[in-house]
Amino acid sequence: GESVGLHLPTLSVQEGDNSIINCAYSNSASDYFIWYKQESGKGPQFIIDIRSNMDKRQGQRVTVLLNKTVKHLSLQIAATQPGDSAVYFCAENSGYSTLTFGKGTMLLVSP
Amino acid sequence: DAGITQSPRHKVTETGTPVTLRCHQTENHRYMYWYRQDPGHGLRLIHYSYGVKDTDKGEVSDGYSVSRSKTEDFLLTLESATSSQTSVYFCAISPGGHEQYFGPGTRLTVT
Repeated sequence: GESVGLHLPTLSVQEGDNSIINCAYSNSASDYFIWYKQESGKGPQFIIDIRSNMDKRQGQRVTVLLNKTVKHLSLQIAATQPGDSAVYFCAENSGYSTLTFGKGTMLLVSP
Repeated sequence: DAGITQSPRHKVTETGTPVTLRCHQTENHRYMYWYRQDPGHGLRLIHYSYGVKDTDKGEVSDGYSVSRSKTEDFLLTLESATSSQTSVYFCAISPGGHEQYFGPGTRLTVT
């Protein structure tokens, strides 16, 4: 079957570079956002989340920035490694207990 | 995969046959979800459950039904499989309806 990564925007970086993946969300009332990583043939993996009362949240090698004015979310990965190669997508809460997912960006890391 | 298993992992079936996919969790989480993932569409919610015997429809529920008779199991049934239901199906669980954790997926091919 087709890979989920086909037809997605692609970001290509060198190992050691910092990567920035962007996401525009649609609902100004959304108050919770998540970034997921999906490797080929696997289920999406939770990376980091942020609530709308925050502008920035840091994890291990990752930082999420939220700009509510322009409805924009970004994921920064420091010192990108080949193991970071995957599809990354954002999600926003679309109801009390449901999420709406973006289509994703493929990150390719060259050694 | 956060204590989530899906079975079967791969299935090929013929048009018109019923198919049931199983999601099993060991986390005792209240919320469970079924998604399908197709190139160009990302993850789309089929049905979800917010407790035993409590379910609701998602974005693409036509042709699918679900049941949850126990906290740990969430079944997705295709009443009469069609070729348009060829997809990768993911189950997810959530303790409180916000962050979701995904299973490994089931690849279903309807011929």
